[in-house]
Amino acid sequence: SQTIHQWPATLVQPVGSPLSLECTVEGTSNPNLYWYRQAAGRGLQLLFYSVGIGQISSEVPQNLSASRPQDRQFILSSKKLLLSDSGFYLCACFVYYTEAFFGQGTRLTVV
Amino acid sequence: QKEVEQDPGPLSVPEGAIVSLNCTYSNSAFQYFMWYRQYSRKGPELLMYTYSSGNKEDGRFTAQVDKSSKYISLFIRDSQPSDSATYLCAMTTGFQKLVFGTGTRLLVSP
Repeated sequence: SQTIHQWPATLVQPVGSPLSLECTVEGTSNPNLYWYRQAAGRGLQLLFYSVGIGQISSEVPQNLSASRPQDRQFILSSKKLLLSDSGFYLCACFVYYTEAFFGQGTRLTVV
Repeated sequence: QKEVEQDPGPLSVPEGAIVSLNCTYSNSAFQYFMWYRQYSRKGPELLMYTYSSGNKEDGRFTAQVDKSSKYISLFIRDSQPSDSATYLCAMTTGFQKLVFGTGTRLLVSP
């Protein structure tokens, strides 16, 4: 079965600092991987998705970027964090058309 | 207009009640419909999915899809305090880009 590892679980960063969140997947090969952000009362917003190594699609313009250096590794980054980047970040992996598995998330607070 | 609309709640019910959670959507191309449960500070977990219109039952949970009305529902029978969570509907055209509702917070009191 698929397992998604996300770290760190919580993070407090000052405005203007860089960010790197990592997600790794076990139990499947060549997965489609996703980064979502969840803000209070606003549901899950799709940020990036990747169908393979080096292939990244961005859903919304923002202060973030994503990379997929290995088949089962997905990284979310920022060069300079903004206050508005605070939120709950979730990595997800799709199996078939219907089953998306999520990591446990990273709660980011930008201060 | 959002692609998927969901009442954020909170919805408060007593233990044992039947709970009805709903979403409406605007994109007629959606074919796969899912319900996720999310406990506080955790990632969402898949509860149920249905393809196209119809009903699907799994224990105390029943998912319904009415594509003609662009309306989906999740029913929870004999609700328990452990069902207290945020329930998110999600849907996709089949190309694996899930679109989520905002989630409905459910509170089941003993």
